[in-house]
Amino acid sequence: DTAVSQTPKYLVTQMGNDKSIKCEQNLGHDTMYWYKQDSKKFLKIMFSYNNKELIINETVPNRFSPKSPDKAHLNLHINSLELGDSAVYFCASSQDSGTEQYFGPGTRLTVT
Amino acid sequence: GENVEQHPSTLSVQEGDSAVIKCTYSDSASNYFPWYKQELGKRPQLIIDIRSNVGEKKDQRIAVTLNKTAKHFSLHITETQPEDSAVYFCAASIIQKLVFGTGTRLLVSP
Repeated sequence: DTAVSQTPKYLVTQMGNDKSIKCEQNLGHDTMYWYKQDSKKFLKIMFSYNNKELIINETVPNRFSPKSPDKAHLNLHINSLELGDSAVYFCASSQDSGTEQYFGPGTRLTVT
Repeated sequence: GENVEQHPSTLSVQEGDSAVIKCTYSDSASNYFPWYKQELGKRPQLIIDIRSNVGEKKDQRIAVTLNKTAKHFSLHITETQPEDSAVYFCAASIIQKLVFGTGTRLLVSP
């Protein structure tokens, strides 16, 4: 009965590779997000989707491409991984932009 | 611009003491202010939130106050316990998203 789930939980890969992180929510929410949390614990929004439509894209390099096949899923694909991409990536969902956001367990990405 | 400042960055208290974390926001249109707690290696989880039509909200040992005029809001934890140790984030709703503060690491010593 997990509300927001992400896979994988850990991802270790080399520079230059392409990888994907998957997110699913079973709360029936309309809005989903991707956040990046760096080593200093800063939580920064990357993308927001509402009903499969992109509504926020925060100056993220175009190596990052989100995809929402349906309202319950928001995946993140990253091309040509760089060392600076190492972080914890959190998916979240909410009913709308002004309500509580529920976070997934996070994906710790390490680029070597 | 979009900015939420949070202080202090670290806070150490003795068990039983009170802890106060303060945030300021820049956008007067912000109307939703949640607080999240993140334990080590875990996801952020909502502990309390407040909307702009309310000045104060309390839930057991946790309370949040909002001063819209000054664009300040604060988290108050009374009778702190070691399990309150975590990183706490404030946030403000700004144009269809939440902007998070930089976090406060709270350490409660027994």
